[in-house]
Amino acid sequence: GNSVTQMEGPVTLSEEAFLTINCTYTATGYPSLFWYVQYPGEGLQLLLKATKADDKGSNKGFEATYRKETTSFHLEKGSVQVSDSAVYFCALSANFGNEKLTFGTGTRLTIIP
Amino acid sequence: DSGVTQTPKHLITATGQRVTLRCSPRSGDLSVYWYQQSLDQGLQFLIQYYNGEERAKGNILERFSAQQFPDLHSELNLSSLELGDSALYFCASSVAGIQLSGNTIYFGEGSWLTVV
Repeated sequence: GNSVTQMEGPVTLSEEAFLTINCTYTATGYPSLFWYVQYPGEGLQLLLKATKADDKGSNKGFEATYRKETTSFHLEKGSVQVSDSAVYFCALSANFGNEKLTFGTGTRLTIIP
Repeated sequence: DSGVTQTPKHLITATGQRVTLRCSPRSGDLSVYWYQQSLDQGLQFLIQYYNGEERAKGNILERFSAQQFPDLHSELNLSSLELGDSALYFCASSVAGIQLSGNTIYFGEGSWLTVV
């Protein structure tokens, strides 16, 4: 079945540091890949997505590239801010059949000033 | 604001009781999904409805049931509650029931259930 393996947290960085959160997946066919973010006390928000190999999703300074050869979708940001502190979830959905999302375990990110 | 509305936001109930969680999807979305987020299990897919019919079932216990009504709102019923059912329950919605080039699934803010 489908699965997502996500970098263990928590991750603590100083403001303006470079961020990478690793995500690899196992899936049949060609899934779509997503990063969701959960800010403290809030629900899940879509951060970015990519639907085919070599696509790059980007939003709010975050980027992730769909790498089929390494089955990865790592999240990056060049300069993090305190407001980026949240839990980040990598997820996939199969490209055929229903759309349910399979999530990774989440990575808690804390940015210190 | 994702446009997905869940009520109640917080709920405390005793073991053995039954609760109903309600979800209104985004306008125009036909699919509704229920997810459970707990500390030990992470985010788990429970069930999906599409235009009133069950489309997919995940790790949903027999004590739990759901339905989607003609106006497309959905309810998740949890019965014979146990301490381990304490979790954040998310509802989500999307336009279609079948994957079409990465349709986005939009999540509500969740319903916090505490079983004491």
